[in-house]
Amino acid sequence: GAVVSQHPSRVICKSGTSVKIECRSLDFQATTMFWYRQFPKQSLMLMATSNEGSKATYEQGVEKDKFLINHASLTLSTLTVTSAHPEDSSFYICSANLRGVDTQYFGPGTRLTVL
Amino acid sequence: AQTVTQSQPEMSVQEAETVTLSCTYDTSESNYYLFWYKQPPSRQMILVIRQEAYKQQNATENRFSVNFQKAAKSFSLKISDSQLGDTAMYFCAFMKHDAKGGSEKLVFGKGTKLTVNP
Repeated sequence: GAVVSQHPSRVICKSGTSVKIECRSLDFQATTMFWYRQFPKQSLMLMATSNEGSKATYEQGVEKDKFLINHASLTLSTLTVTSAHPEDSSFYICSANLRGVDTQYFGPGTRLTVL
Repeated sequence: AQTVTQSQPEMSVQEAETVTLSCTYDTSESNYYLFWYKQPPSRQMILVIRQEAYKQQNATENRFSVNFQKAAKSFSLKISDSQLGDTAMYFCAFMKHDAKGGSEKLVFGKGTKLTVNP
């Protein structure tokens, strides 16, 4: 149980385009999901907390208009990187909180490359 | 604010041996959770073990066990009978308990890269 999927696993796009990444909890409902960014050989950096039916809470220094988060259902959160630039190239990981257990389960990640 | 420190950037161990990864944390919270996550080369984050701060008994999961010292704010991970598949980055993480039943964020350490040698 507690499986989280992420789609796509890899995406390559041109500078200036937008990319949407989906995060789904497959066998549980997640009122809260989290979005992280991970640079090579570094730890995870929390970007934002996504709450179902309400606005996301962004960490300091993360541009809200750049990284749009939508959590429209109890099993789906999306991260849209708008007007992507090469510096947005990174590994993006989502997690979903299994309520009652208070444990985050992670998706497999999405490698974004912006040319 | 909470902080998590992993003082060993890299470690190695021979297959079948035992290895201990260190983690210390700093918090003023009394009720919280501690986790060890594993990130193999596939980069999928996998939960290894979870500890609730109010429980004195150390958590165990098969070959993985922790030594939780609340007063010392220490949370080390012991891997027994190491296997080649244990080669991964290991992250220690802290999460405070939300009494209202909400979801709190994880605070991660910088990680320890473990290599299991044949």
